[in-house]
Amino acid sequence: SQWGEENLQALSIQEGEDVTMNCSYKTYTTVVHWYRQDSGRGPALIILIRSNEREKRSGRLRATLDTSSQSSSLSITAAQCEDTAVYFCATASSSFSKLVFGQGTSLSVVP
Amino acid sequence: GPKVLQIPSHQIIDMGQMVTLNCDPVSNHLYFYWYKQILGQQMEFLVNFYNGKVMEKSKLFKDQFSVERPDGSYFTLKIQPTALEDSAVYFCASSLAGQSSYEQYFGPGTRLTVL
Repeated sequence: SQWGEENLQALSIQEGEDVTMNCSYKTYTTVVHWYRQDSGRGPALIILIRSNEREKRSGRLRATLDTSSQSSSLSITAAQCEDTAVYFCATASSSFSKLVFGQGTSLSVVP
Repeated sequence: GPKVLQIPSHQIIDMGQMVTLNCDPVSNHLYFYWYKQILGQQMEFLVNFYNGKVMEKSKLFKDQFSVERPDGSYFTLKIQPTALEDSAVYFCASSLAGQSSYEQYFGPGTRLTVL
């Protein structure tokens, strides 16, 4: 599998808290995609980080990529109830970019 | 933002029947994908398609599976005959280009139940 000891975790946090989700991958990649999937919907890209970037920010989201340890993380600052979703990391393993998804993290943000 | 549509949203069929899942990709996109997600499990790549041809397929893309996009209309996934293990949610995606840094836009999925 592309992915290592991955995470269908279920995390529950309170509104206003920060949260970090991690994943590691086994094979070389040039980019890590982070997708969010709401119940009953398809995944939607929320942030993409390239191998020449160690960190990428988008609003309250922060992604990191460590190519030496082949790991990536997604942090959400001051989580809100609408952040409740399943979050997936994915690598694109070929020039025709099939996405290889990790197990995902089910995040629940409660008031 | 750009939307990918999938028809139908749910399909229930008997094992051995044929089923066709339809996808209406983003209008100017050139690359098309199907993924399979079994409840509670990770999304898995089935196949990608460009310029009328399958570019890459996974071992999940069995001989009973086929894809096509006749005359630039729907991008379809056909399963003939279906098996119980084909029950899953099937997601279609499209992208403007094939490089790994391009976003894939996903449809809402078709839930297939094979009885």
